[in-house]
Amino acid sequence: DTEVTQTPKHLVMGMTNKKSLKCEQHMGHRAMYWYKQKAKKPPELMFVYSYEKLSINESVPSRFSPECPNSSLLNLHLHALQPEDSALYLCASSQPSEYEQYFGPGTRLTVT
Amino acid sequence: GNSVTQMEGPVTLSEEAFLTINCTYTATGYPSLFWYVQYPGEGLQLLLKATKADDKGSNKGFEATYRKETTSFHLEKGSVQVSDSAVYFCALILNNAGNMLTFGGGTRLMVKP
Repeated sequence: DTEVTQTPKHLVMGMTNKKSLKCEQHMGHRAMYWYKQKAKKPPELMFVYSYEKLSINESVPSRFSPECPNSSLLNLHLHALQPEDSALYLCASSQPSEYEQYFGPGTRLTVT
Repeated sequence: GNSVTQMEGPVTLSEEAFLTINCTYTATGYPSLFWYVQYPGEGLQLLLKATKADDKGSNKGFEATYRKETTSFHLEKGSVQVSDSAVYFCALILNNAGNMLTFGGGTRLMVKP
């Protein structure tokens, strides 16, 4: 199984809502990532978890809160987002000692 | 710092034409190099990789050779198909640098029948 799954596929939320994005992989990878991708731009790294511990936070606003409950799951909790946070949110995974990252299909987020 | 520069698109080709997408990099060490492809409405898929100088990565008819002397990793395909229409991202990771991918800006390829 070489698949990273993400739910939901699409999400529309208001600026006062609280929602969560979910990511799951069953490849035995111990590093997981959240990226944000705006239209016609490359992905931007947000967070890295290595062995279920947050190892990199790329100065992301606190309205984004990551969580890694176990080695297969990665969540991104969203609260009080702004319209400029509308983007495609991508999850990826890899082995910490290897460099190939495998990406999920993404969640298309629209903040109204 | 580290950076990746790709040719700006869109690149528009007819089916069966030869494809080259240029990619050059700047890195403070010895990176591993990747090409990712993103089809419309989808996430990124790893297309090919090379981990050391003179390595050639290949997959699905695409090839790229790690050229240390020119700091390049150009993507080529001998005969493109309409189904190859997508955005292609060149990327690097520095060994022992926290698995942080540095992406180029992406190149949109459009293949016409």
